[in-house]
Amino acid sequence: AQSVTQLDSQVPVFEEAPVELRCNYSSSVSVYLFWYVQYPNQGLQLLLKYLSGSTLVESINGFEAEFNKSQTSFHLRKPSVHISDTAEYFCAVSEAGANNLFFGTGTRLTVIP
Amino acid sequence: DTAVSQTPKYLVTQMGNDKSIKCEQNLGHDTMYWYKQDSKKFLKIMFSYNNKELIINETVPNRFSPKSPDKAHLNLHINSLELGDSAVYFCASSQGPTPVDTQYFGPGTRLTVL
Repeated sequence: AQSVTQLDSQVPVFEEAPVELRCNYSSSVSVYLFWYVQYPNQGLQLLLKYLSGSTLVESINGFEAEFNKSQTSFHLRKPSVHISDTAEYFCAVSEAGANNLFFGTGTRLTVIP
Repeated sequence: DTAVSQTPKYLVTQMGNDKSIKCEQNLGHDTMYWYKQDSKKFLKIMFSYNNKELIINETVPNRFSPKSPDKAHLNLHINSLELGDSAVYFCASSQGPTPVDTQYFGPGTRLTVL
């Protein structure tokens, strides 16, 4: 069965510092991987996704994530965070051919001025 | 011009009551979903409809009944509310029913059962 683990429930980081939000998954078959972001009082928005091809995927606001099959990970990184990046970040996985998305429990990123 | 909207935003009610949450999307999508997010932020799918037909029905008490009058609407009716139903409920939509299709979420409805 597929599952997602986000080990860090909260990550505080100073503005302009780099950040990495960790995500590990378990599955016995091919997977699709996603990062969603939830800003305060809003619904989730897709940040980036890995379906196939290049293992490094990027978002339009400077985040990137790398699919590492051997380590079953899909960590999210940004080299320099802004105050506006403060939000809850959810990693999600789906097995190829399945209809369901399975979400992790989220990581709250707080950017400190 | 909200893409996915939900009403109400907050819902406080007593145990045993029946309540409904409404969801509408103006994106022209064929697929809609209901998710439940518990107090620990765990987000789990409850139902999915594609072209008004139920395609995902996770292990959810039958007190929860989704209804899709048309492709743009997916409402959630809950009978005999229990304390454990307290959560944030998110509606979402996507062009198609596979995870490859990006899901767009509503702002959520916070349900509190007293």
